[in-house]
Amino acid sequence: QVQLVQSGAEVKKPGASVKVSCKASGYTFTSYGISWVRQAPGQGLEWMGWISAYNGNTNYAQKLQGRVTMTTDTSTSTAYMELRSLRSDDTAVYYCARAEPYGSGSCFDYWGQGTLVTVSS
Amino acid sequence: DIQMTQSPSTLSASVGDRVTITCRASQSISSWLAWYQQKPGKAPKLLIYKASSLESGVPSRFSGSGSGTEFTLTISSLQPDDFATYYCQQYNSYSTFGPGTKVDIK
Repeated sequence: QVQLVQSGAEVKKPGASVKVSCKASGYTFTSYGISWVRQAPGQGLEWMGWISAYNGNTNYAQKLQGRVTMTTDTSTSTAYMELRSLRSDDTAVYYCARAEPYGSGSCFDYWGQGTLVTVSS
Repeated sequence: DIQMTQSPSTLSASVGDRVTITCRASQSISSWLAWYQQKPGKAPKLLIYKASSLESGVPSRFSGSGSGTEFTLTISSLQPDDFATYYCQQYNSYSTFGPGTKVDIK
């Protein structure tokens, strides 16, 4: 069965970086993409960006351009999302989700369990 | 960027009620719209994709309709498991989620 298993909760200070992992199993990793979606406490869902595990292409949300990098390691079927220069409003649960491989316009049929990132001094 | 709105923001209903949630896009997105259900502390669950296609395993009481800029999610007979927050998502151009509609017990 398809599973996306994310790394554990993180606590970071303002200005630091965080890198969240998402290990995929149960399907051919390079036949899909991975999108990242975050949810601040009590708030809605915010799409952060997408990476194709097929060819490594990426698209990032404009508001995060320059602060976010998404990568994949096809040898371990793992996707990564790194967010730099953290601020308090980056405190959120971060989700990875399976997406289409060829373009960032996609719905998401499988999701990871979420990783809470807390930014606090 | 394409903006998404949903109405209502909160909906109080009883078991057995027919429930309709509306989602509007700021420009035409054809049928590139999905609906998700989210319960507290859990990841969203895909219910409907391409505006009206039911995801495998989702009960048939859920249905979606619409195209262009206006879409609806209908639950034909609300069940206890359906009390949750529902989000629409456009994926015509990158991705944008609506603000959500919370369905709670009347």
